[in-house]
Amino acid sequence: DAGITQSPRHKVTETGTPVTLRCHQTENHRYMYWYRQDPGHGLRLIHYSYGVKDTDKGEVSDGYSVSRSKTEDFLLTLESATSSQTSVYFCAISSGLPRRSPLHFGNGTRLTVT
Amino acid sequence: EDKVVQSPLSLVVHEGDTVTLNCSYEVTNFRSLLWYKQEKKAPTFLFMLTSSGIEKKSGRLSSILDKKELSSILNITATQTGDSAIYLCAVEVQGGSEKLVFGKGTKLTVNP
Repeated sequence: DAGITQSPRHKVTETGTPVTLRCHQTENHRYMYWYRQDPGHGLRLIHYSYGVKDTDKGEVSDGYSVSRSKTEDFLLTLESATSSQTSVYFCAISSGLPRRSPLHFGNGTRLTVT
Repeated sequence: EDKVVQSPLSLVVHEGDTVTLNCSYEVTNFRSLLWYKQEKKAPTFLFMLTSSGIEKKSGRLSSILDKKELSSILNITATQTGDSAIYLCAVEVQGGSEKLVFGKGTKLTVNP
């Protein structure tokens, strides 16, 4: 959808292991976002990027880091996964000018930390 | 703290019914309000509202923003089973960190 691919689609990992989720877009959009979705909390912003190497924190950024070395790729890393990070992770993209377009979402990555 | 509240949290109706979903917000610098529909996977964009009182319409769905009341409604007429989904309301906040603040969603179930 909207040229966004998330990988992997599903992952099960153990507590304490590092995990990297990838978001790839083919739209050449400037803005990229990582959200997590949990029952009872809705969608919450983890980190976002407004250009190559330009990133900022969202409301639930603790325990997560991101990198954007190319326009098309935005990586989310859990340095040491915890059970509280079990969630569905969505990447979203938005264009820059003249006004940011509505966010378009990828299909999500379901992460289970055991 | 910026907040978006949706009601009801869940709703069960029969095909053909008309439904109204509500979204209210308290944010520091309002820019726009967006509605999304989420079925099994990714939320898909429905409407973006920036001006009060102007209805946006797409087929059987329509939405309107009331800036005075800090709220929006999403109407679905002649519901179909394919309308069953979670409907998400989000508010775009200006300035500082660019973000959408999402409500928790309304789960709509349309029974045949």
